[in-house]
This record gives sequence, C-alpha cells and structure tokens, in this order.
Amino acid sequence: DIEMTQSPYTLSASVGDRVTITCRASQRLTGWLAWYQQKPGKAPNLLIYKASTLESGVPSRFSGSGSGTDFTLTISSLQPDDFATYYCQQYNNHPFTFGQGTKLEI
Amino acid sequence: QVHLVQSGAEVKKPGASVKVSCKASGYTFTSYGINWVRQAPGQGLEWMGCIDGRGNTYFTQRFQGRVTLTTDTSTSAAYMELRSLRSDDTALYYCARDRQCNSPGDYWGQGTLVTVSS
Repeated sequence: DIEMTQSPYTLSASVGDRVTITCRASQRLTGWLAWYQQKPGKAPNLLIYKASTLESGVPSRFSGSGSGTDFTLTISSLQPDDFATYYCQQYNNHPFTFGQGTKLEI
Repeated sequence: QVHLVQSGAEVKKPGASVKVSCKASGYTFTSYGINWVRQAPGQGLEWMGCIDGRGNTYFTQRFQGRVTLTTDTSTSAAYMELRSLRSDDTALYYCARDRQCNSPGDYWGQGTLVTVSS
C-alpha cells in the first residue's frame, strides 16, 4: 500500500496568511493526488484533483502542486472559512490511501 | 443535482454485522463508482473500498473478507456490509461518488454513525 505522510500535523495561522501543507507519498505517483477540506461534523469536500486541478466552485486562493512523491497544497490568503482539517489522498493505486490530516487553526 | 443519502445511525454488539445504505440521485448511477470511507472518533479518514458501475470491487486488505460492497441498480443504491464488528469499528461511515473507482470522491453522503458496544 502507498503510505501518505502529511506535514505539519497542526498549523497555526492568521487571516490573510499564506500557508502550505505538504504531502509525501511512499511511492512515486503519476499525478493522481487529491486534496480535501473537512470541517467538524461534515463530510470531506474535494478541493483539488490530479495534484493541481481545482474542483469546480473552489476558490482560486487554493492551489496544488507537486509531482513524483512530493505534493503541496497552498492557500494564498487565509479566510475565516478556511480553518479546517485538510487531507491528501492518492488514487494512483488501489487501495487508495489518505494522509493523516493537517489541522489548520487560528 | 447530485445527492447521496445514507441510512441512519446504528448501534451493534461486538460480533454482529451492520449494513449501511447509500441512495444516489441526480446522475446515471452505473456510470460512476461508490467509495466507502470511515472516520473513527477524532481520527482521520480511512478508505475501505470501492465498487464500480460494473460491480467490480476493490478493498483495503485489512477489510478484505469482512466487508461486502454491493449495489442495486434498480434503486440507485449502494450498500456496505461489515461483519464481525469490534469496538474499534465504531466510526462514521461515508459513501462518496467517484468516476469508476479511479478518481477522488466528488460527492459525499452525510455519513452514518456505527457504534459497536456491548
């Protein structure tokens, strides 16, 4: 199975900050990586797929990049609504696997 | 619009089985797959498996043999049955639509809480 490792585990930031979350895969991915946002008590919401393609309706302050084994999610200017937990997921091979999550706190 | 509506919360005893349903609407059911993802209290997301529009299934090995994924195309519903329940199976179980078990989940159900307790 491909293991996904996110860092940091927790991130403290302020409104207006630029933040970056990293996801590292234990094997090379051919770009099949997604990022999700999850708020307490809610289902995850797909933000980015294919490493850098923004899902329809997702604000442009979110962006994704990376290739091979190293990927990043960047939020260019944090808004109050962005404080949540973020997960990466590889869908390169079955079984699909998630990172352990990054909690973005005020 | 796409909707996935899951069945209600369940309380089960250790050793029992649970079957969670996921009723889809707003799209051609057989053109997409359904993933099952669970989340233990306070923990992260765990992908369990997926069933595609042709009925092919894919699993995380730790669930293989203990979980069955099925669909009923006549009602556009997907089902996840988990057997031999243990206390560490207590979690929120989500269904999520994807392309054909080869893409991320773009629409998710609201989640079904399964509590395993004696």
